[in-house]
Amino acid sequence: AQTVTQSQPEMSVQEAETVTLSCTYDTSESNYYLFWYKQPPSRQMILVIRQEAYKQQNATENRFSVNFQKAAKSFSLKISDSQLGDTAMYFCAFVPYGNNRLAFGKGNQVVVIP
Amino acid sequence: DTEVTQTPKHLVMGMTNKKSLKCEQHMGHRAMYWYKQKAKKPPELMFVYSYEKLSINESVPSRFSPECPNSSLLNLHLHALQPEDSALYLCASSQESQLETQYFGPGTRLLVL
Repeated sequence: AQTVTQSQPEMSVQEAETVTLSCTYDTSESNYYLFWYKQPPSRQMILVIRQEAYKQQNATENRFSVNFQKAAKSFSLKISDSQLGDTAMYFCAFVPYGNNRLAFGKGNQVVVIP
Repeated sequence: DTEVTQTPKHLVMGMTNKKSLKCEQHMGHRAMYWYKQKAKKPPELMFVYSYEKLSINESVPSRFSPECPNSSLLNLHLHALQPEDSALYLCASSQESQLETQYFGPGTRLLVL
């Protein structure tokens, strides 16, 4: 079974500052996708960023970037220039090739303080 | 467009009622999913439909009955639910069912009295 671990269940960050969320995963697969999803109080689960395991280059989406360390099985998310709308629960997720079950971490609650 | 819609947004039902949740996507995705999510927990997979056929049932009680009438529509029929079934029910879809990004709907908040 694949496992995804997120530590630091709740984090606060000042507006315009940077916050990094950590995620580690356990798998014997070599081909897989990793995701960060954001779930604000509105409850909609929104895709933030996606990383294919075969790509060495770290994915970026505007103010969101990841640090993907395949050997260490680590996939952290950096939110730069934090905005109030970034307040949400952030879930790290993993899916191996040939499997349609997303494995989620327990989530990190991020609160952006004005 | 990556929109998945769900209706209703909120639902309150008694333990003897029968109700249905509806999910729709018009992205041409061929895989659709139902998840159950409790407060401050990650979503838990319930069912997966691939090409309109049920491919995964995660040992969900029979009081939950999924249906996929066509490739754009997914229903979840509810009957004789228990208070512990109160949760947020999320629908998702993906291009195919393997190694593809899942896009989620806004969810239906269900309260069973």
